Amino acid sequence: SAVISQKPSRDICQRGTSLTIQCQVDSQVTMMFWYRQQPGQSLTLIATANQGSEATYESGFVIDKFPISRPNLTFSTLTVSNMSPEDSSIYLCSAQTDNSGANVLTFGAGSRLTVL
Amino acid sequence: GNSVTQMEGPVTLSEEAFLTINCTYTATGYPSLFWYVQYPGEGLQLLLKATKADDKGSNKGFEATYRKETTSFHLEKGSVQVSDSAVYFCALSDSNDYKLSFGAGTTVTVRA
Repeated sequence: SAVISQKPSRDICQRGTSLTIQCQVDSQVTMMFWYRQQPGQSLTLIATANQGSEATYESGFVIDKFPISRPNLTFSTLTVSNMSPEDSSIYLCSAQTDNSGANVLTFGAGSRLTVL
Repeated sequence: GNSVTQMEGPVTLSEEAFLTINCTYTATGYPSLFWYVQYPGEGLQLLLKATKADDKGSNKGFEATYRKETTSFHLEKGSVQVSDSAVYFCALSDSNDYKLSFGAGTTVTVRA
Protein backbone atom coordinates (compact mmCIF):
# COMPACT_ATOMS: atom_id res chain seq x y z
CA SER A 1 0.00 0.00 0.00
CA ALA A 2 1.02 3.62 -0.36
CA VAL A 3 3.34 5.30 2.12
CA ILE A 4 2.49 8.80 3.30
CA SER A 5 5.15 11.07 4.76
CA GLN A 6 4.30 14.17 6.73
CA LYS A 7 6.47 16.93 8.04
CA PRO A 8 7.00 18.38 10.48
CA SER A 9 6.21 15.50 12.79
CA ARG A 10 5.81 17.94 15.63
CA ASP A 11 6.27 21.61 16.34
CA ILE A 12 5.75 24.16 19.05
CA CYS A 13 4.32 27.40 17.73
CA GLN A 14 3.60 30.84 19.07
CA ARG A 15 0.14 32.30 19.13
CA GLY A 16 -0.67 34.33 16.02
CA THR A 17 1.80 32.57 13.74
CA SER A 18 1.07 30.20 10.85
CA LEU A 19 2.53 26.80 10.08
CA THR A 20 2.44 24.75 6.89
CA ILE A 21 2.33 20.96 7.03
CA GLN A 22 3.51 18.98 4.04
CA CYS A 23 2.20 15.62 2.92
CA GLN A 24 3.93 13.45 0.35
CA VAL A 25 2.54 10.19 -1.04
CA ASP A 26 4.85 7.72 -2.73
CA SER A 27 2.36 7.05 -5.52
CA GLN A 28 -0.26 9.00 -7.40
CA VAL A 29 -3.60 9.13 -5.64
CA THR A 30 -6.87 10.73 -6.59
CA MET A 31 -8.29 11.59 -3.21
CA MET A 32 -6.35 13.26 -0.39
CA PHE A 33 -7.80 14.43 2.91
CA TRP A 34 -6.78 16.36 5.98
CA TYR A 35 -8.03 15.35 9.43
CA ARG A 36 -7.62 16.88 12.86
CA GLN A 37 -7.33 14.89 16.06
CA GLN A 38 -7.70 17.09 19.11
CA PRO A 39 -6.23 15.83 22.37
CA GLY A 40 -8.04 12.74 23.59
CA GLN A 41 -10.62 12.94 20.82
CA SER A 42 -11.47 11.26 17.57
CA LEU A 43 -10.64 12.34 14.06
CA THR A 44 -12.53 15.13 12.36
CA LEU A 45 -12.33 15.72 8.62
CA ILE A 46 -11.12 19.23 7.82
CA ALA A 47 -11.25 19.13 4.03
CA THR A 48 -10.72 17.20 0.85
CA ALA A 49 -7.68 18.36 -1.08
CA ASN A 50 -8.63 18.53 -4.74
CA GLN A 51 -5.91 18.44 -7.36
CA GLY A 52 -6.02 21.53 -9.54
CA SER A 53 -8.94 23.19 -7.74
CA GLU A 54 -9.92 24.62 -4.39
CA ALA A 55 -10.25 22.27 -1.46
CA THR A 56 -13.67 21.21 -0.23
CA TYR A 57 -14.12 22.16 3.42
CA GLU A 58 -16.32 20.50 6.02
CA SER A 59 -18.70 22.40 8.20
CA GLY A 60 -16.83 24.43 10.78
CA PHE A 61 -13.63 24.75 8.75
CA VAL A 62 -12.83 27.64 6.41
CA ILE A 63 -10.20 28.34 3.80
CA ASP A 64 -8.89 31.47 5.51
CA LYS A 65 -7.99 29.47 8.60
CA PHE A 66 -6.86 26.26 6.90
CA PRO A 67 -5.65 27.00 3.36
CA ILE A 68 -4.80 23.85 1.44
CA SER A 69 -2.79 23.30 -1.69
CA ARG A 70 -2.74 20.25 -3.97
CA PRO A 71 -0.43 20.98 -6.89
CA ASN A 72 -0.22 17.39 -8.14
CA LEU A 73 -1.37 13.83 -7.46
CA THR A 74 1.28 13.05 -4.83
CA PHE A 75 1.58 16.18 -2.69
CA SER A 76 -0.54 18.46 -0.53
CA THR A 77 -0.03 21.11 2.13
CA LEU A 78 -2.21 22.30 4.98
CA THR A 79 -1.55 25.66 6.60
CA VAL A 80 -2.88 26.44 10.05
CA SER A 81 -3.17 30.22 10.09
CA ASN A 82 -3.13 32.72 12.93
CA MET A 83 -2.83 29.93 15.46
CA SER A 84 -4.31 29.94 18.94
CA PRO A 85 -3.93 27.36 21.73
CA GLU A 86 -7.21 25.80 20.56
CA ASP A 87 -5.43 24.73 17.38
CA SER A 88 -3.15 22.42 19.35
CA SER A 89 -3.88 19.07 17.74
CA ILE A 90 -2.53 16.30 15.63
CA TYR A 91 -3.10 16.99 11.96
CA LEU A 92 -3.22 13.94 9.72
CA CYS A 93 -2.94 13.64 6.00
CA SER A 94 -4.63 10.69 4.33
CA ALA A 95 -5.16 9.34 0.86
CA GLN A 96 -7.53 6.88 -0.72
CA THR A 97 -5.27 4.06 -1.78
CA ASP A 98 -7.66 1.16 -2.33
CA ASN A 99 -9.28 0.79 -5.71
CA SER A 100 -11.67 -1.95 -4.63
CA GLY A 101 -14.38 0.56 -3.90
CA ALA A 102 -14.17 0.20 -0.11
CA ASN A 103 -12.75 3.68 0.42
CA VAL A 104 -9.79 2.48 2.47
CA LEU A 105 -7.64 5.38 3.62
CA THR A 106 -3.94 5.31 4.37
CA PHE A 107 -2.76 7.83 6.94
CA GLY A 108 0.45 9.65 7.56
CA ALA A 109 1.97 9.52 11.03
CA GLY A 110 0.57 12.95 11.80
CA SER A 111 1.92 16.37 12.72
CA ARG A 112 1.56 17.22 16.39
CA LEU A 113 1.22 20.98 16.88
CA THR A 114 1.37 22.69 20.24
CA VAL A 115 0.42 26.36 20.29
CA LEU A 116 1.59 28.42 23.23
CA GLY B 1 -26.17 11.82 8.51
CA ASN B 2 -23.57 9.14 9.13
CA SER B 3 -22.32 8.48 12.62
CA VAL B 4 -20.45 5.88 14.61
CA THR B 5 -20.92 5.14 18.30
CA GLN B 6 -18.12 3.27 19.96
CA MET B 7 -17.69 1.77 23.39
CA GLU B 8 -15.88 4.18 25.62
CA GLY B 9 -12.69 3.24 27.35
CA PRO B 10 -10.22 2.98 28.65
CA VAL B 11 -10.15 -0.78 28.71
CA THR B 12 -7.49 -2.61 30.71
CA LEU B 13 -6.98 -6.34 30.26
CA SER B 14 -4.56 -9.03 31.24
CA GLU B 15 -2.62 -10.89 28.58
CA GLU B 16 -4.60 -13.74 26.97
CA ALA B 17 -7.92 -12.20 27.97
CA PHE B 18 -10.84 -11.84 25.52
CA LEU B 19 -11.40 -8.40 24.06
CA THR B 20 -14.63 -6.94 22.70
CA ILE B 21 -15.10 -3.35 21.60
CA ASN B 22 -18.65 -2.48 20.65
CA CYS B 23 -19.41 -0.33 17.63
CA THR B 24 -22.78 0.66 16.20
CA TYR B 25 -23.47 2.93 13.28
CA THR B 26 -26.05 5.08 11.57
CA ALA B 27 -25.85 5.53 7.82
CA THR B 28 -28.12 6.61 5.01
CA GLY B 29 -26.80 4.25 2.38
CA TYR B 30 -24.89 0.97 2.34
CA PRO B 31 -21.69 1.74 4.19
CA SER B 32 -18.36 0.04 4.31
CA LEU B 33 -17.12 -0.49 7.87
CA PHE B 34 -13.61 -0.34 9.22
CA TRP B 35 -11.51 -0.74 12.30
CA TYR B 36 -8.38 1.38 12.46
CA VAL B 37 -5.69 1.07 15.11
CA GLN B 38 -3.28 3.68 16.42
CA TYR B 39 -0.29 2.27 18.27
CA PRO B 40 1.55 4.58 20.68
CA GLY B 41 3.45 7.24 18.77
CA GLU B 42 2.30 6.03 15.37
CA GLY B 43 -0.28 6.98 12.75
CA LEU B 44 -3.54 5.21 12.06
CA GLN B 45 -3.41 1.85 10.37
CA LEU B 46 -6.24 -0.12 8.83
CA LEU B 47 -6.86 -3.20 10.96
CA LEU B 48 -9.75 -4.75 9.07
CA LYS B 49 -12.74 -3.92 6.92
CA ALA B 50 -16.08 -5.26 5.71
CA THR B 51 -17.91 -3.90 2.71
CA LYS B 52 -21.32 -5.58 2.90
CA ALA B 53 -23.71 -7.20 5.32
CA ASP B 54 -22.55 -10.48 6.92
CA ASP B 55 -18.98 -9.95 5.76
CA LYS B 56 -16.36 -10.77 8.37
CA GLY B 57 -13.17 -8.78 8.42
CA SER B 58 -10.15 -10.33 10.11
CA ASN B 59 -6.50 -9.50 10.71
CA LYS B 60 -3.87 -10.19 13.39
CA GLY B 61 -6.34 -12.36 15.32
CA PHE B 62 -8.98 -9.63 15.38
CA GLU B 63 -12.40 -10.17 13.83
CA ALA B 64 -15.50 -8.08 13.22
CA THR B 65 -18.74 -9.04 11.47
CA TYR B 66 -20.89 -6.54 9.60
CA ARG B 67 -24.37 -6.96 11.13
CA LYS B 68 -26.93 -4.96 9.20
CA GLU B 69 -29.86 -6.07 11.37
CA THR B 70 -28.25 -4.64 14.50
CA THR B 71 -26.19 -1.94 12.66
CA SER B 72 -23.11 -3.17 14.47
CA PHE B 73 -19.48 -4.00 13.77
CA HIS B 74 -18.05 -5.19 17.08
CA LEU B 75 -14.34 -5.92 17.27
CA GLU B 76 -13.19 -9.11 19.01
CA LYS B 77 -9.97 -10.90 19.80
CA GLY B 78 -9.83 -14.14 21.67
CA SER B 79 -6.44 -13.75 23.36
CA VAL B 80 -4.83 -10.33 23.55
CA GLN B 81 -1.14 -9.60 23.85
CA VAL B 82 0.74 -6.67 25.35
CA SER B 83 1.51 -5.55 21.79
CA ASP B 84 -2.22 -5.04 21.20
CA SER B 85 -2.17 -2.01 23.48
CA ALA B 86 -3.39 0.82 21.28
CA VAL B 87 -6.32 3.09 20.47
CA TYR B 88 -8.95 1.43 18.28
CA PHE B 89 -11.27 3.44 16.04
CA CYS B 90 -14.43 2.19 14.37
CA ALA B 91 -15.26 4.02 11.14
CA LEU B 92 -17.65 3.97 8.24
CA SER B 93 -17.71 5.16 4.68
CA ASP B 94 -21.03 5.54 2.94
CA SER B 95 -21.34 4.04 -0.51
CA ASN B 96 -22.26 7.48 -1.83
CA ASP B 97 -19.50 9.30 -0.02
CA TYR B 98 -15.75 8.78 0.13
CA LYS B 99 -15.45 10.41 3.56
CA LEU B 100 -14.72 8.43 6.69
CA SER B 101 -16.71 9.02 9.87
CA PHE B 102 -14.87 7.89 12.99
CA GLY B 103 -16.00 6.78 16.38
CA ALA B 104 -14.51 8.34 19.50
CA GLY B 105 -11.80 5.70 19.84
CA THR B 106 -11.22 3.16 22.60
CA THR B 107 -7.92 2.98 24.43
CA VAL B 108 -6.92 -0.59 25.21
CA THR B 109 -4.10 -1.44 27.60
CA VAL B 110 -2.96 -5.04 27.94
CA ARG B 111 -0.90 -5.92 31.00
CA ALA B 112 1.52 -8.80 31.18
